[in-house]
Amino acid sequence: QSALTQPPSVSGSPGQSVTISCTGTSSDVGSYNRVSWYQQPPGTAPKLMIYEVSNRPSGVPARFSGSKSGNTASLTISGLQAEDEADYYCSSYASSSTVVFGGGTKLTVL
Amino acid sequence: EVQLVESGGGVVRPGGSLRLSCAASGFTFDDYGMSWVRQAPGKGLEWVSGINWNGGSTGYADSVKGRFTISRDNAKNSLYLQMNSLRAEDTALYYCARDPLGWQGAFDIWGQGTMVTVSS
Repeated sequence: QSALTQPPSVSGSPGQSVTISCTGTSSDVGSYNRVSWYQQPPGTAPKLMIYEVSNRPSGVPARFSGSKSGNTASLTISGLQAEDEADYYCSSYASSSTVVFGGGTKLTVL
Repeated sequence: EVQLVESGGGVVRPGGSLRLSCAASGFTFDDYGMSWVRQAPGKGLEWVSGINWNGGSTGYADSVKGRFTISRDNAKNSLYLQMNSLRAEDTALYYCARDPLGWQGAFDIWGQGTMVTVSS
C-alpha cells in the first residue's frame, strides 16, 4: 500500500493552466478507473473535484479536468483563479481492496 | 442538508482504545459505502478503512489491520470505528466520508473530523 506519487508543489499565475500528476502502479492507477482528486484549502475538509478519472461532481467548475495514461493520472486546472490555491490529493482504488492516496500537492497562485 | 458529524475523539494513552462515531443525515444512509480517512497534523490524507452499504464487506489499511474495526448501524444512520492498541502514529484528525461507489475512493461528502491524540 505505497502512497501515490505527486509533486510537492506547483504554481501558476491567474489565467494560466497547471497540471498535477499522480503516479501509481499497475496495482492501482493502472488497473482501475477509480481515480479521484480532492481539493483541501487550509483548515477545511477535503472536497471531491474529480471521480472515476475524469468525471466532475455537480458544482465543480469545468476548469477542472482529469485524465489518465497508464499508471499516471493528471488533474488540469485551466484559467487559474486565486481561489484555487489549496492542497490537492489524488486517490485510487487498489487491487488489495484498499484505497491509496497521493502525498498531496500544494498549488500556489502567484 | 446532507451532513456527516464525527464524534468520540480525544486523548488516549498508547495501548488504549477509542470508539469513533459518525452520524449521517440528509440522505439515505444505506445507499452508500462509507470510509474513515485520517490526516496527521501537517501531513497528507490516509485511507484507514471502508465498509459497503450493508456491512457485508470491509477493508483496512495495512497500518491498522488487526487493531481497528469498522462497522455501521443503518437503523441509526451511523458509522463506527473501534480503535484498539493505539499507537502514537495513530494521532490524527479522523474524517468519515461517503462513497457512492462502495468504498472505492470517490468520497463525495466529508465530515469535519474528530481529533485523536495518542500520548503518554
